[in-house]
Amino acid sequence: GENVEQHPSTLSVQEGDSAVIKCTYSDSASNYFPWYKQELGKGPQLIIDIRSNVGEKKDQRIAVTLNKTAKHFSLHITETQPEDSAVYFCAAPGGSYIPTFGRGTSLIVHP
Amino acid sequence: GAVVSQHPSRVICKSGTSVKIECRSLDFQATTMFWYRQFPKQSLMLMATSNEGSKATYEQGVEKDKFLINHASLTLSTLTVTSAHPEDSSFYICSARPSGGATINEQFFGPGTRLTVL
Repeated sequence: GENVEQHPSTLSVQEGDSAVIKCTYSDSASNYFPWYKQELGKGPQLIIDIRSNVGEKKDQRIAVTLNKTAKHFSLHITETQPEDSAVYFCAAPGGSYIPTFGRGTSLIVHP
Repeated sequence: GAVVSQHPSRVICKSGTSVKIECRSLDFQATTMFWYRQFPKQSLMLMATSNEGSKATYEQGVEKDKFLINHASLTLSTLTVTSAHPEDSSFYICSARPSGGATINEQFFGPGTRLTVL
Protein backbone atom coordinates (compact mmCIF):
# COMPACT_ATOMS: atom_id res chain seq x y z
CA GLY A 1 0.00 0.00 0.00
CA GLU A 2 0.86 3.65 -0.09
CA ASN A 3 3.11 5.16 2.58
CA VAL A 4 3.01 8.92 3.09
CA GLU A 5 5.42 10.82 5.28
CA GLN A 6 4.89 14.47 6.16
CA HIS A 7 7.31 16.98 7.66
CA PRO A 8 7.54 18.96 9.81
CA SER A 9 4.99 17.98 12.45
CA THR A 10 4.97 21.53 13.79
CA LEU A 11 5.85 24.76 12.00
CA SER A 12 5.93 28.13 13.69
CA VAL A 13 6.36 31.29 11.59
CA GLN A 14 5.91 35.02 11.91
CA GLU A 15 3.09 36.71 10.07
CA GLY A 16 4.22 37.57 6.56
CA ASP A 17 6.80 34.79 6.34
CA SER A 18 6.51 31.82 4.03
CA ALA A 19 5.73 28.27 5.15
CA VAL A 20 6.66 25.05 3.40
CA ILE A 21 5.36 21.59 4.24
CA LYS A 22 6.74 18.50 2.51
CA CYS A 23 5.37 15.04 1.86
CA THR A 24 6.91 11.96 0.35
CA TYR A 25 5.03 8.96 -0.99
CA SER A 26 6.02 5.45 -1.95
CA ASP A 27 3.59 4.22 -4.62
CA SER A 28 4.57 5.37 -8.10
CA ALA A 29 0.97 4.73 -9.22
CA SER A 30 -0.23 7.74 -7.21
CA ASN A 31 -1.43 10.45 -9.58
CA TYR A 32 -3.41 12.88 -7.46
CA PHE A 33 -2.03 14.86 -4.53
CA PRO A 34 -4.39 16.97 -2.43
CA TRP A 35 -3.70 19.21 0.53
CA TYR A 36 -6.26 19.74 3.26
CA LYS A 37 -6.55 22.37 5.97
CA GLN A 38 -8.24 21.38 9.22
CA GLU A 39 -9.23 23.92 11.82
CA LEU A 40 -9.91 22.89 15.38
CA GLY A 41 -13.14 20.92 15.74
CA LYS A 42 -13.87 20.95 12.01
CA GLY A 43 -13.51 18.58 9.09
CA PRO A 44 -10.62 18.86 6.62
CA GLN A 45 -11.09 21.31 3.77
CA LEU A 46 -9.46 20.82 0.39
CA ILE A 47 -7.29 23.86 -0.31
CA ILE A 48 -5.32 22.81 -3.35
CA ASP A 49 -4.52 19.69 -5.33
CA ILE A 50 -2.25 18.68 -8.16
CA ARG A 51 -2.30 15.88 -10.68
CA SER A 52 0.73 14.00 -11.86
CA ASN A 53 0.82 15.58 -15.29
CA VAL A 54 1.94 18.98 -13.94
CA GLY A 55 4.80 20.05 -11.72
CA GLU A 56 3.32 23.11 -10.05
CA LYS A 57 -0.02 24.69 -9.34
CA LYS A 58 -0.72 28.03 -7.72
CA ASP A 59 -3.80 29.61 -6.21
CA GLN A 60 -3.17 33.09 -4.80
CA ARG A 61 -0.91 32.63 -1.75
CA ILE A 62 -0.93 28.85 -1.93
CA ALA A 63 1.09 26.68 -4.28
CA VAL A 64 1.88 23.00 -4.58
CA THR A 65 4.90 21.52 -6.31
CA LEU A 66 5.31 17.92 -7.38
CA ASN A 67 8.45 15.94 -8.16
CA LYS A 68 7.32 12.56 -9.46
CA THR A 69 10.83 11.27 -9.93
CA ALA A 70 11.70 11.87 -6.30
CA LYS A 71 8.15 11.07 -5.15
CA HIS A 72 7.62 14.16 -3.11
CA PHE A 73 5.28 17.13 -3.16
CA SER A 74 5.20 20.30 -1.15
CA LEU A 75 2.74 22.94 0.00
CA HIS A 76 3.93 26.53 -0.09
CA ILE A 77 2.09 29.33 1.68
CA THR A 78 3.40 32.85 1.13
CA GLU A 79 2.65 35.99 3.15
CA THR A 80 1.22 33.91 5.99
CA GLN A 81 -1.57 35.34 8.08
CA PRO A 82 -2.84 34.33 11.55
CA GLU A 83 -5.91 32.75 9.95
CA ASP A 84 -3.61 30.33 8.16
CA SER A 85 -2.96 28.71 11.55
CA ALA A 86 -4.36 25.17 11.37
CA VAL A 87 -3.35 21.56 10.80
CA TYR A 88 -2.47 20.71 7.22
CA PHE A 89 -2.63 17.19 5.80
CA CYS A 90 -1.28 15.84 2.54
CA ALA A 91 -2.60 12.68 0.91
CA ALA A 92 -1.74 10.28 -1.87
CA PRO A 93 -4.01 7.58 -3.26
CA GLY A 94 -1.66 4.87 -4.38
CA GLY A 95 -2.96 2.37 -6.85
CA SER A 96 -6.10 1.67 -4.85
CA TYR A 97 -7.56 5.19 -5.24
CA ILE A 98 -8.12 5.19 -1.49
CA PRO A 99 -6.14 8.06 0.00
CA THR A 100 -3.43 7.64 2.59
CA PHE A 101 -2.94 10.72 4.72
CA GLY A 102 0.20 12.18 6.17
CA ARG A 103 0.44 12.66 9.92
CA GLY A 104 -0.34 16.36 9.66
CA THR A 105 1.54 19.60 10.24
CA SER A 106 0.43 22.08 12.86
CA LEU A 107 1.10 25.53 11.43
CA ILE A 108 1.21 28.41 13.87
CA VAL A 109 1.39 31.93 12.49
CA HIS A 110 2.37 34.49 15.10
CA PRO A 111 0.98 38.02 14.64
CA GLY B 1 -20.46 23.46 -4.67
CA ALA B 2 -19.20 20.12 -3.25
CA VAL B 3 -20.75 20.47 0.18
CA VAL B 4 -20.95 17.55 2.58
CA SER B 5 -23.00 17.71 5.77
CA GLN B 6 -22.95 15.55 8.87
CA HIS B 7 -25.57 15.19 11.54
CA PRO B 8 -25.38 15.45 14.44
CA SER B 9 -22.33 17.64 14.98
CA ARG B 10 -22.10 16.56 18.60
CA VAL B 11 -23.65 13.68 20.50
CA ILE B 12 -23.36 12.48 24.06
CA CYS B 13 -24.75 9.08 24.91
CA LYS B 14 -24.71 6.52 27.66
CA SER B 15 -22.60 3.40 27.48
CA GLY B 16 -24.45 0.54 25.79
CA THR B 17 -26.64 2.67 23.56
CA SER B 18 -26.39 3.01 19.77
CA VAL B 19 -25.72 6.21 17.89
CA LYS B 20 -26.39 6.95 14.23
CA ILE B 21 -24.41 9.53 12.28
CA GLU B 22 -25.60 10.75 8.89
CA CYS B 23 -23.41 11.95 6.05
CA ARG B 24 -25.00 13.75 3.11
CA SER B 25 -23.61 15.13 -0.12
CA LEU B 26 -25.77 18.21 -0.64
CA ASP B 27 -25.06 19.25 -4.21
CA PHE B 28 -23.57 16.21 -5.88
CA GLN B 29 -24.02 12.49 -6.09
CA ALA B 30 -21.51 10.21 -4.43
CA THR B 31 -21.17 6.57 -5.30
CA THR B 32 -18.41 6.26 -2.75
CA MET B 33 -18.19 7.71 0.74
CA PHE B 34 -15.54 7.19 3.37
CA TRP B 35 -15.76 7.09 7.15
CA TYR B 36 -12.81 8.22 9.25
CA ARG B 37 -12.03 8.38 12.91
CA GLN B 38 -9.69 10.97 14.34
CA PHE B 39 -8.13 11.09 17.79
CA PRO B 40 -6.81 14.37 19.23
CA LYS B 41 -3.72 15.66 17.45
CA GLN B 42 -3.62 12.67 15.14
CA SER B 43 -4.24 12.03 11.49
CA LEU B 44 -7.38 10.62 9.94
CA MET B 45 -7.80 6.88 10.30
CA LEU B 46 -9.88 5.29 7.57
CA MET B 47 -12.51 2.99 9.04
CA ALA B 48 -14.43 1.90 5.98
CA THR B 49 -15.30 2.62 2.39
CA SER B 50 -19.01 2.83 1.68
CA ASN B 51 -20.34 2.13 -1.81
CA GLU B 52 -23.90 2.87 -2.78
CA GLY B 53 -25.99 -0.24 -3.05
CA SER B 54 -23.36 -2.66 -1.78
CA LYS B 55 -21.69 -3.69 1.44
CA ALA B 56 -19.07 -1.47 2.96
CA THR B 57 -15.41 -2.45 2.92
CA TYR B 58 -13.89 -2.24 6.37
CA GLU B 59 -10.26 -1.60 7.17
CA GLN B 60 -8.30 -4.14 9.15
CA GLY B 61 -9.09 -3.97 12.84
CA VAL B 62 -12.45 -2.23 12.45
CA GLU B 63 -15.36 -4.32 13.71
CA LYS B 64 -18.08 -4.35 11.08
CA ASP B 65 -20.71 -5.51 13.58
CA LYS B 66 -19.94 -2.60 15.85
CA PHE B 67 -19.71 0.10 13.18
CA LEU B 68 -22.65 -0.49 10.86
CA ILE B 69 -22.54 1.39 7.59
CA ASN B 70 -25.42 1.87 5.20
CA HIS B 71 -25.18 3.70 1.87
CA ALA B 72 -28.71 3.43 0.57
CA SER B 73 -28.67 6.36 -1.82
CA LEU B 74 -26.22 8.40 -3.86
CA THR B 75 -26.39 11.25 -1.35
CA LEU B 76 -26.61 9.56 2.03
CA SER B 77 -24.43 7.23 4.07
CA THR B 78 -24.96 6.42 7.73
CA LEU B 79 -22.62 5.11 10.40
CA THR B 80 -24.18 3.46 13.44
CA VAL B 81 -22.00 2.86 16.46
CA THR B 82 -23.69 -0.02 18.24
CA SER B 83 -23.42 -0.69 21.97
CA ALA B 84 -21.15 2.30 22.38
CA HIS B 85 -18.47 2.32 25.06
CA PRO B 86 -16.27 5.15 26.36
CA GLU B 87 -13.40 4.01 24.14
CA ASP B 88 -15.58 4.74 21.11
CA SER B 89 -15.52 8.42 22.02
CA SER B 90 -13.85 10.20 19.13
CA PHE B 91 -14.26 12.60 16.23
CA TYR B 92 -15.91 10.84 13.28
CA ILE B 93 -15.59 12.38 9.83
CA CYS B 94 -17.11 11.33 6.55
CA SER B 95 -16.08 12.24 3.04
CA ALA B 96 -17.79 11.85 -0.30
CA ARG B 97 -16.33 11.22 -3.73
CA PRO B 98 -18.31 12.79 -6.58
CA SER B 99 -19.64 10.30 -9.10
CA GLY B 100 -18.08 10.98 -12.48
CA GLY B 101 -15.84 13.67 -11.03
CA ALA B 102 -12.86 15.25 -12.72
CA THR B 103 -10.61 12.84 -10.92
CA ILE B 104 -11.43 9.50 -9.40
CA ASN B 105 -9.50 10.45 -6.28
CA GLU B 106 -11.25 13.71 -5.43
CA GLN B 107 -13.17 13.75 -2.16
CA PHE B 108 -14.86 16.32 0.04
CA PHE B 109 -15.16 16.12 3.79
CA GLY B 110 -18.02 16.71 6.17
CA PRO B 111 -17.62 18.88 9.27
CA GLY B 112 -17.29 15.90 11.61
CA THR B 113 -19.26 14.51 14.55
CA ARG B 114 -17.94 14.59 18.07
CA LEU B 115 -19.10 11.47 19.92
CA THR B 116 -18.79 11.27 23.69
CA VAL B 117 -19.81 8.06 25.42
CA LEU B 118 -20.33 8.33 29.16
